[in-house]
Amino acid sequence: DAKTTQPNSMESNEEEPVHLPCNHSTISGTDYIHWYRQLPSQGPEYVIHGLTSNVNNRMASLAIAEDRKSSTLILHRATLRDAAVYYCILRASSGNTGKLIFGQGTTLQVKP
Amino acid sequence: NAGVMQNPRHLVRRRGQEARLRCSPMKGHSHVYWYRQLPEEGLKFMVYLQKENIIDESGMPKERFSAEFPKEGPSILRIQQVVRGDSAAYFCASSLAGTGFSYEQYFGPGTRLTVT
Repeated sequence: DAKTTQPNSMESNEEEPVHLPCNHSTISGTDYIHWYRQLPSQGPEYVIHGLTSNVNNRMASLAIAEDRKSSTLILHRATLRDAAVYYCILRASSGNTGKLIFGQGTTLQVKP
Repeated sequence: NAGVMQNPRHLVRRRGQEARLRCSPMKGHSHVYWYRQLPEEGLKFMVYLQKENIIDESGMPKERFSAEFPKEGPSILRIQQVVRGDSAAYFCASSLAGTGFSYEQYFGPGTRLTVT
């Protein structure tokens, strides 16, 4: 799986939008971009995924650059419960057994 | 629909004992993954199983660790002769499909193993 680069940490104020960036300059044409997050003392939780087009779901939005070399996870209104480690992961569409390869992720702090 | 269940949630073993960690996937899921998170480290893939088959064990330590997912019952991760370095959180995830690149994995709450 191709490598991703994320900032180690970010801070946000409660009720404000948060933009979490991810660089994946070596992404291949068939790699999907997945985001997971891990709240303190819990298992990881799926957030969102996409291929080329921007995606929205009840948790977040995913904005994918036109060249696909970067993407941004958007939390529209951060809450204290959104404080977690956010992982950006690329998953190949073939030749992949489906395992997730986690990097260090971005630790998001949300201030009240 | 119950989520992924893992038990026990906390397990304490003395060095040299065996640890058995159980994982019941979500209903309808036949693909199970095990991950390990050492203290202050990231999550690492260990093994991927389908019912009665090990598909990918590239992340499993060569010795003392084994995993199974029988036709009936939960998936089991077994660690024989535990050492202090095995102390970690072990997470199980299940998926509707395995190699499908778009299928998300659903994680359990983890088993925190402490070796004394």
